[in-house]
Amino acid sequence: EAGVAQSPRYKIIEKRQSVAFWCNPISGHATLYWYQQILGQGPKLLIQFQNNGVVDDSQLPKDRFSAERLKGVDSTLKIQPAKLEDSAVYLCASSLGLAGATDTQYFGPGTRLTVL
Amino acid sequence: GNSVTQMEGPVTLSEEAFLTINCTYTATGYPSLFWYVQYPGEGLQLLLKATKADDKGSNKGFEATYRKETTSFHLEKGSVQVSDSAVYFCALSNFNKFYFGSGTKLNVKP
Repeated sequence: EAGVAQSPRYKIIEKRQSVAFWCNPISGHATLYWYQQILGQGPKLLIQFQNNGVVDDSQLPKDRFSAERLKGVDSTLKIQPAKLEDSAVYLCASSLGLAGATDTQYFGPGTRLTVL
Repeated sequence: GNSVTQMEGPVTLSEEAFLTINCTYTATGYPSLFWYVQYPGEGLQLLLKATKADDKGSNKGFEATYRKETTSFHLEKGSVQVSDSAVYFCALSNFNKFYFGSGTKLNVKP
């Protein structure tokens, strides 16, 4: 079974530039998550999709971050414009989307963003 | 609310030492509990999980028991190896939402 795919693996941009990340979840997984992981910290949920609908985006900085999951499969996360504090690893994860508390998330390798 | 608290690191051990990383949680209802591991330069990998009270999750010599009475899910391994050096995250899932601890870095020296 193929895992969660993300690209690019690394990105270096200057502040105020735009950047986009792509994620392809495990086939058949209804739920997709984007996390931000700042060095030395645990993952922080940015947005959670169930199929192509947003379940939770309460911690997404909506003035600069946006995400979409067209057709309920792959997803893109965009930052426009980037700030220095956006330097982090952006992790995508997916899960079957089971009801209740028995779901398991599977993570991609992440995209390491450096904003100069 | 839901939250996870884990012991701060780094934890430094010699090879073959016994490992315990403490994790406690706060949750409503009946969450599932997880340990994820992150090796340098890689994404998070599921290490083990437990879905109900008194369940023991185990994998690669690691184990953790879901203790509802103490709201804990401590990670243990009897004999660590250098290759176990990584960051370990405790997490809980409740109503299809996930909550992660801040991670504990483990350094194992030969």
